[in-house]
Amino acid sequence: AQSVTQLDSHVSVSEGTPVLLRCNYSSSYSPSLFWYVQHPNKGLQLLLKYTSAATLVKGINGFEAEFKKSETSFHLTKPSAHMSDAAEYFCVVSVKAGNNRKLIWGLGTSLAVNP
Amino acid sequence: NAGVMQNPRHLVRRRGQEARLRCSPMKGHSHVYWYRQLPEEGLKFMVYLQKENIIDESGMPKERFSAEFPKEGPSILRIQQVVRGDSAAYFCASSWTSGGETQYFGPGTRLLVL
Repeated sequence: AQSVTQLDSHVSVSEGTPVLLRCNYSSSYSPSLFWYVQHPNKGLQLLLKYTSAATLVKGINGFEAEFKKSETSFHLTKPSAHMSDAAEYFCVVSVKAGNNRKLIWGLGTSLAVNP
Repeated sequence: NAGVMQNPRHLVRRRGQEARLRCSPMKGHSHVYWYRQLPEEGLKFMVYLQKENIIDESGMPKERFSAEFPKEGPSILRIQQVVRGDSAAYFCASSWTSGGETQYFGPGTRLLVL
């Protein structure tokens, strides 16, 4: 069965320090993987996606993620946190469901950025 | 090009009333997905629709919930006889292709059942 595990429910960093949000997946096939961000009381914005091209994926707002098949991981990183990065982050895997695809969502990681 | 639009953004209902949530996909998208997000949780898939067809409703509760995507107009998620446990954020997403991998999300409708 396909699943997504976000290893930390809450992460707190200081402004200007690196961000690491961890995600492991389980999939029978070569997966497509995504990171979405949700700011308080807002909708969901796609940060980046991996679809079997380059294993290091660059997204918006300085975020990037590396697909590591051997570790079944897709961790999200950013070299230097900004106050505006405080939000909820979701790791998502796209799986085949018949002729269609379905998104399986992690439970989310809440990122706090301290001044 | 407007993004995915949902209305209302906030909806308050009393137990037993009906809730109707609307979603207009991005221009050119004919595939719509509905998700529910309970407090402190991730999104849970509910239903996937194309114009006039329900493709996958495996995540829909068996009773009180229905969805449609008519030939003209927005997709509607309808919840009859709401209960407190229906309080959640309901997100709609749309995609370009069949089973499109990249889904674009609306801002959500936050339903509160009193």
